[in-house]
This record gives sequence, structure tokens and C-alpha cells, in this order.
Amino acid sequence: KQEVTQIPAALSVPEGENLVLNCSFTDSAIYNLQWFRQDPGKGLTSLLLIQSSQREQTSGRLNASLDKSSGRSTLYIAASQPGDSATYLCAVPLLSGGYNKLIFGAGTRLAVHP
Amino acid sequence: DVKVTQSSRYLVKRTGEKVFLECVQDMDHENMFWYRQDPGLGLRLIYFSYDVKMKEKGDIPEGYSVSREKKERFSLILESASTNQTSMYLCASSHRQGLNTEAFFGQGTRLTVV
Repeated sequence: KQEVTQIPAALSVPEGENLVLNCSFTDSAIYNLQWFRQDPGKGLTSLLLIQSSQREQTSGRLNASLDKSSGRSTLYIAASQPGDSATYLCAVPLLSGGYNKLIFGAGTRLAVHP
Repeated sequence: DVKVTQSSRYLVKRTGEKVFLECVQDMDHENMFWYRQDPGLGLRLIYFSYDVKMKEKGDIPEGYSVSREKKERFSLILESASTNQTSMYLCASSHRQGLNTEAFFGQGTRLTVV
């Protein structure tokens, strides 16, 4: 059974710091991994989708890496800003009878203070 | 811009009422999902649909039903609303298979049952 874990659960950093959010999964037979951002009371915004054949994916100040063999992904945020404050979730698809549905981690709640 | 639109941001309903939550996507996605999100419990899958008129139960289908009469629209129905169904409801969509199964979410519906 696929399980997704995110560490740390919460993180508070001063503005300008580079930071790393961690995501681990128990079954390495995935074909992609997706990172999301969620602001309080809002829906999820897709940040990055990294394919199983890729090692990294970048979007602006965000960089996601994937190591399937070790069951880990990291989301690197460079030069953090107060506007980055949100909850970050990772998810992997579970193939079930040919249909894919997402298995989510519990998220990392990030606070960036000025 | 890709779009998943939920019909309401906030809803207040009375116990015993029949409640309809609507979701529309404009990306020609085969898959559509309904999740609920509660503090400490994360995202839990209620139902998903992989094609028109097709549906599969998720992890917590009790007290809910769904309808998918058109590809772009997926409705969640609370047959007789109860206070324990007070929650944030999130709709998502994605392509069914292949490499590009990036999921997109709506803005969420905060439902309060009184």
C-alpha cells in the first residue's frame, strides 16, 4: 500500500532563506510525482509535475527532485519570500484497475516571516 | 489557463437537506475527483469518475453519491446532509493515463451543515 510522508510538518523561516521540503513514498513504482501549494481556505495549486524518468524539474525559484530508488522527492525553494507562506503537499498517482488516483502526504506548513 | 470551477465557495445548509456540489473543467480530462479536507485528516477521496456515467468509490463514500452525465461536469450529492459532513470539498481533474496526468483543483467549497 502506497504511503506518502512529508517532513517537516511545519517550518518557520526568515525571508531570504533557501529551504528544502521533503516527501517520501513507500512504493517506488510511481510514474510521476506532483507538488502542490495550498493557501488557507483555498484549493490546491499545481506547482510542478516530475516524471519518473526525470531527476529534476524547475519553475522559477522552485526546483523539485525525484529519486525513485530511495522513495524520495524534495522541493527546493530559493530566496524565500513572505508570499511563499502556504501549505505544500506532494502526491503520487496510484494505479488502480487502470485508473489513476492521487495519494497525498499530510503537507508541510511553511511560514516565511519578514 | 486551465480551469476547474466549483459552483460555490461557501454554502450553509440545514441537516437533512439534499445538497448538490457542482464542478466543471475545461481541459477535456477523463478523470474527475471529489475530495474532502478536514484538519488533521488531510485530503480524503470520496468518489472519482474516469469517464462519462462511470464512477468509483473512494475511501469515504458513505453518505455521498455522484453524477457524471457530461465529460466536463461532475456533481457530488449529499443525500441527507449531516453535521459531520461540514468540511472543505475539493474537486479535481486529470487525464486518465499516460505521462501527463497532472491534476488540477478547483477553488474549494466550504460547506457548513447546521
